[in-house]
Amino acid sequence: EPEVTQTPSHQVTQMGQEVILRCVPISNHLYFYWYRQILGQKVEFLVSFYNNEISEKSEIFDDQFSVERPDGSNFTLKIRSTKLEDSAMYFCASSERVTGITQPQHFGDGTRLSIL
Amino acid sequence: AQSVAQPEDQVNVAEGNPLTVKCTYSVSGNPYLFWYVQYPNRGLQFLLKYITGDNLVKGSYGFEAEFNKSQTSFHLKKPSALVSDSALYFCAVRALDTGRRALTFGSGTRLQVQP
Repeated sequence: EPEVTQTPSHQVTQMGQEVILRCVPISNHLYFYWYRQILGQKVEFLVSFYNNEISEKSEIFDDQFSVERPDGSNFTLKIRSTKLEDSAMYFCASSERVTGITQPQHFGDGTRLSIL
Repeated sequence: AQSVAQPEDQVNVAEGNPLTVKCTYSVSGNPYLFWYVQYPNRGLQFLLKYITGDNLVKGSYGFEAEFNKSQTSFHLKKPSALVSDSALYFCAVRALDTGRRALTFGSGTRLQVQP
């Protein structure tokens, strides 16, 4: 069964540094998402992306965050100047676009981001 | 605003017994409801969804969920639990009638199935 793949599985970064988290969505999916889960807390929506632009974002997704689809397969989340509170598990998800039927989001295994 | 409540942090059940994991939701308009399961060091795995139609929906691994509009609930059930069902379960919702696709998740319920 096709899967969403995320790399790296664990990223350790110094506070203030930039970090890029990478995702390869399922190949025929057209909607892409990032969520995060701070340890012991809920899974929170960050951003959704469709047709090469952000379609929706949460209050968490401020100016330090950006997303990009640099080629036909990758979807990236960049955090420009990391803060301690950015430490979390970051999940990428993707879903199909099927007219009239809303499909579920399929998630990757996540990248654990640790800010020191 | 949309929200999900999972009132139980943990549910313990003996293998072979039926299980229920509770979920209530709040959303403007018609809900689009999901259950996901998370095994250790893995992502969220889709179990089942409810959009419309029959209030009892069937999903993967023998799980099912019952939608109750009047109680705004979407409880996850399984007639006979397995030890391998032990995991973290998340209920999620989004409004069906808007262009928004962001899912709102509950805080999760840890299911522990004892042999």
